[in-house]
Amino acid sequence: DTGVSQDPRHKITKRGQNVTFRCDPISEHNRLYWYRQTLGQGPEFLTYFQNEAQLEKSRLLSDRFSAERPKGSFSTLEIQRTEQGDSAMYLCASSLDRDGTQYFGPGTRLLVL
Amino acid sequence: QKEVEQDPGPLSVPEGAIVSLNCTYSNSAFQYFMWYRQYSRKGPELLMYTYSSGNKEDGRFTAQVDKSSKYISLFIRDSQPSDSATYLCAMSRSGNTGKLIFGQGTTLQVKP
Repeated sequence: DTGVSQDPRHKITKRGQNVTFRCDPISEHNRLYWYRQTLGQGPEFLTYFQNEAQLEKSRLLSDRFSAERPKGSFSTLEIQRTEQGDSAMYLCASSLDRDGTQYFGPGTRLLVL
Repeated sequence: QKEVEQDPGPLSVPEGAIVSLNCTYSNSAFQYFMWYRQYSRKGPELLMYTYSSGNKEDGRFTAQVDKSSKYISLFIRDSQPSDSATYLCAMSRSGNTGKLIFGQGTTLQVKP
């Protein structure tokens, strides 16, 4: 399968714990995006990378959230001191520079108890 | 007020019906318009991608953009039960940079 992959697919954690999600984009896609989707809503933009550079961050991305793409390939999204309000589906997407079409992964569903 | 408004439905139609899904938006800077389909507990799948105003057809799907009215539509002809999903409109200011702004999504059920 050459699509966007995300790991884990599901994560249950207790409030206050740290969690980390991984996204592997489509090979050769230099742009990588993170979105968050809550039940009954459309995805909301969190941040995006062009290669290893983080070019834009949403106001939704509080200080507890950090994203990295150290070698311009896979990316990680870490949430520190999780809160119940962080429960959501975290979606990753990738695209090429010359073509803005964003392809989404299956998402990581987070539940904070 | 949200930048992109979409009626959440749910919308229920019989198999074979023509389905019309719509979004309105407020920001005239949007230039690129997309429709994604999302099955339950899955990631969004791109259906249609259009630039500026006009129509685009792909099989049973037709996307329309009316920038003067800030209104976009997706038509599904000969709807099938397998079309049952949530349909998300999305748009961006630029075709090759940055974030997509999504509507809330419309849930469609096609009954056999």
